Amino acid sequence: DADVTQTPRNRITKTGKRIMLECSQTKGHDRMYWYRQDPGLGLRLIYYSFDVKDINKGEISDGYSVSRQAQAKFSLSLESAIPNQTALYFCATSDNYNEQFFGPGTRLTVL
Amino acid sequence: AQSVAQPEDQVNVAEGNPLTVKCTYSVSGNPYLFWYVQYPNRGLQFLLKYITGDNLVKGSYGFEAEFNKSQTSFHLKKPSALVSDSALYFCAVDQENQGGKLIFGQGTELSVKP
Repeated sequence: DADVTQTPRNRITKTGKRIMLECSQTKGHDRMYWYRQDPGLGLRLIYYSFDVKDINKGEISDGYSVSRQAQAKFSLSLESAIPNQTALYFCATSDNYNEQFFGPGTRLTVL
Repeated sequence: AQSVAQPEDQVNVAEGNPLTVKCTYSVSGNPYLFWYVQYPNRGLQFLLKYITGDNLVKGSYGFEAEFNKSQTSFHLKKPSALVSDSALYFCAVDQENQGGKLIFGQGTELSVKP
């Protein structure tokens, strides 16, 4: 089984809808991250969490919110989706300063 | 502010030739540097990292990278490219005591032709 899983893998939605992307990990890491990937821009950090009680905004948090339900679960929500939030979204986990482990990604399209 | 630059959007190499994917960075403190690879329709996979110590670091799949503090560079290299190395490569930097907040370059598409 994959160490970091994301659901759904693909989602098409309409402008104004609320969307939740979920991430689960079995690596036992305290740190979890949400990124979005856009062509030519690399990955940009949306939110990150260093433990269950710690939530921090990243570079591009506007229009997004997160919930850390447990050490293993970190969800990303778009309260009212807009077309420029169409992107590939990745969840990642890490153990302190070591490398991050990425999920397979969620491709989100907002019409 | 931290930043990472990958000056080449695409690198083309013939199979068997050496390859280099360039990365330069800017941080105010000691850098933690990483290379990741992304294959089509997949998440990012860790290749190697530099935290401290020997400037030449070796990683997965025969890749290596050299940390050059004076040139603020961390170029990815491989002595002999394989067609299966074709993928999107990302350089990333974290700053000491910043707690794992990676800043990624925009990515370099590596194409290895037979």
